[in-house]
Amino acid sequence: QMQLVQSGAEVKKTGSSVKVSCMASGYTFTYRYLHWVRQAPGQALEWMGWITPFNGNTNYAQKFQDRVTITRDRSMITAYMELSSLRSEDTAMYYCAISTTVTTEFDYWGQGTLVTVSS
Amino acid sequence: QSVLTQPPSVSGAPGQRVTISCTGSSSNIGAGYDVHWYQQLPGTAPKLLMYGNSNRPSGVPDRFSGSKSGTSASLAITGLQAEDEADYYCQSYDSSLSGRGVFGGGTKLTVL
Repeated sequence: QMQLVQSGAEVKKTGSSVKVSCMASGYTFTYRYLHWVRQAPGQALEWMGWITPFNGNTNYAQKFQDRVTITRDRSMITAYMELSSLRSEDTAMYYCAISTTVTTEFDYWGQGTLVTVSS
Repeated sequence: QSVLTQPPSVSGAPGQRVTISCTGSSSNIGAGYDVHWYQQLPGTAPKLLMYGNSNRPSGVPDRFSGSKSGTSASLAITGLQAEDEADYYCQSYDSSLSGRGVFGGGTKLTVL
């Protein structure tokens, strides 16, 4: 069945960068949009951006436009989310999720990757 | 500030019915984009609960139902059970700012 497996927890210093991976299985990687969603402790879900694995096109939330980069490796059926210039407010659980189109539901989610940012 | 507005909390006794509202605007729900709902149990990833406004994925009990009208949507849960206690999020697509996914602020359901 469709599955998304994310990389493990990270602890980072303020000002540094983090790169989280999301490996797909059970479906054709290039046929689904892949999104990144984050959730700060006790807070709501927040959409960060998507990538179309077929051609690598991306779209980012305005809030993260200057700091986030989403990429993919088609041969490795893996997507990546890199967030730079980390600050304490970036401490959160980061999820990848897939949808059929940009307007349809996120029907499968990764297990989440906890990123902790401290000085 | 979430783009979609949900009540922070709702509660009900076992067996009762509760509803959770999700209010958007003319660039998302009001523009005709579908609303989807997710259930998040403590310490777990969100799980798809309802898609396309009123469709239940396989395995979701028919105690859960969804609807949409104008710029709002609702999730109804009948015959409340203790296992329904969770956070619920609505989600849609917003056509502003070159297109983006948007979520509600989440609603904590407490089963009394």
